[in-house]
Amino acid sequence: AQTVTQSQPEMSVQEAETVTLSCTYDTSESDYYLFWYKQPPSRQMILVIRQEAYKQQNATENRFSVNFQKAAKSFSLKISDSQLGDAAMYFCAYRSARDAGKSTFGDGTTLTVKP
Amino acid sequence: NAGVMQNPRHLVRRRGQEARLRCSPMKGHSHVYWYRQLPEEGLKFMVYLQKENIIDESGMPKERFSAEFPKEGPSILRIQQVVRGDSAAYFCASSANMDSYEQYFGPGTRLTVT
Repeated sequence: AQTVTQSQPEMSVQEAETVTLSCTYDTSESDYYLFWYKQPPSRQMILVIRQEAYKQQNATENRFSVNFQKAAKSFSLKISDSQLGDAAMYFCAYRSARDAGKSTFGDGTTLTVKP
Repeated sequence: NAGVMQNPRHLVRRRGQEARLRCSPMKGHSHVYWYRQLPEEGLKFMVYLQKENIIDESGMPKERFSAEFPKEGPSILRIQQVVRGDSAAYFCASSANMDSYEQYFGPGTRLTVT
């Protein structure tokens, strides 16, 4: 079974600085997708960024980028120029390409942004 | 273009009552997934449905929980004889088909059992 581990329950960052959230996963499959979701206090799940395992290039979406290390099964999220609105719970998620259905989520990292 | 809709957003039930949670997928989506989020935890997969079919229910508790996605109307997650441990946020997600890598989430239903 696939597992997703987020080893940092809480992180904080000063406004305008950079922070990296860690995620590792365990799978025996070679084709899969990885996601980072943001969950603000409203509890709505918002997709931040996604990465296809077959792509070597790291995904980037504006201030958000990932460091995808397939061999190490690591998928960290870097937030540059942090803004107050980035404060939220962040979840890393895995989804198999073969068994396209359920996603497996980590337990989340609470990010605080200090003004 | 309406996103995934869930209702009610908040539901309070006494122990022993039934809870019915509804999910309307995005227009054109025929695949629905239900997840449960306990306090301070991530989302845990419960069930994956297509119209009139349960594809994967490996995350569903063996008793009291059931789900359906009829040909017409929303998907329903039903919890019979609720207990305090059922208190959680229940999220629905939808996708266009099995090969879609992305699931679009609804706003969730927060169930409180008193």
